[in-house]
Amino acid sequence: DGGITQSPKYLFRKEGQNVTLSCEQNLNHDAMYWYRQDPGQGLRLIYYSQIVNDFQKGDIAEGYSVSREKKESFPLTVTSAQKNPTAFYLCASSPQGFVNEQFFGPGTRLTVL
Amino acid sequence: DQQVKQNSPSLSVQEGRISILNCDYTNSMFDYFLWYKKYPAEGPTFLISISSIKDKNEDGRFTVFLNKSAKHLSLHIVPSQPGDSAVYFCAARGPISSGSARQLTFGSGTQLTVLP
Repeated sequence: DGGITQSPKYLFRKEGQNVTLSCEQNLNHDAMYWYRQDPGQGLRLIYYSQIVNDFQKGDIAEGYSVSREKKESFPLTVTSAQKNPTAFYLCASSPQGFVNEQFFGPGTRLTVL
Repeated sequence: DQQVKQNSPSLSVQEGRISILNCDYTNSMFDYFLWYKKYPAEGPTFLISISSIKDKNEDGRFTVFLNKSAKHLSLHIVPSQPGDSAVYFCAARGPISSGSARQLTFGSGTQLTVLP
């Protein structure tokens, strides 16, 4: 079955620690995206990548970093510089450069204690 | 500045009746619009979309209407079912000729509750 996997579903970290969220897709999509969702807010774009070894900042990139070494993988690192890291993180992908539809993973709930 | 707005955080309707979810946008360059449905602790799933060259698109119980002059779109669900209870997000995209076609801008969502 093709799809997007995010692991783990729930993640707990102590304040001041970096943490990396995994996102893998087997849809052969070129573009991948990371969003953050907070209560009462929409999905806010953190980073996106159109091709391997290239990525662009979204609206709220501060305190986050990404890499795109393989087409199927787009991990997100939440660094200690992110002031409010506790949130629900969603990874998405789309087949090509312009977006007609994005396919989302199940999300990772990160709680920083 | 929010370019896509969903001003109603919540909506409750009776099973069998019509649900109407609204969305407004400010960027006149947007030319493609989508609706997503999201259950708690899950990723959003695509529901229906509409291009700016149309004013209506229908798929089963779901119809999206676009009023370009008012920069407004709406999602109609008829008849509403309890399984439709979820958060609905509208999203917009810029023209393919521009860099803004590479990402979606989402609204803040509307929680729909369909009462049995």
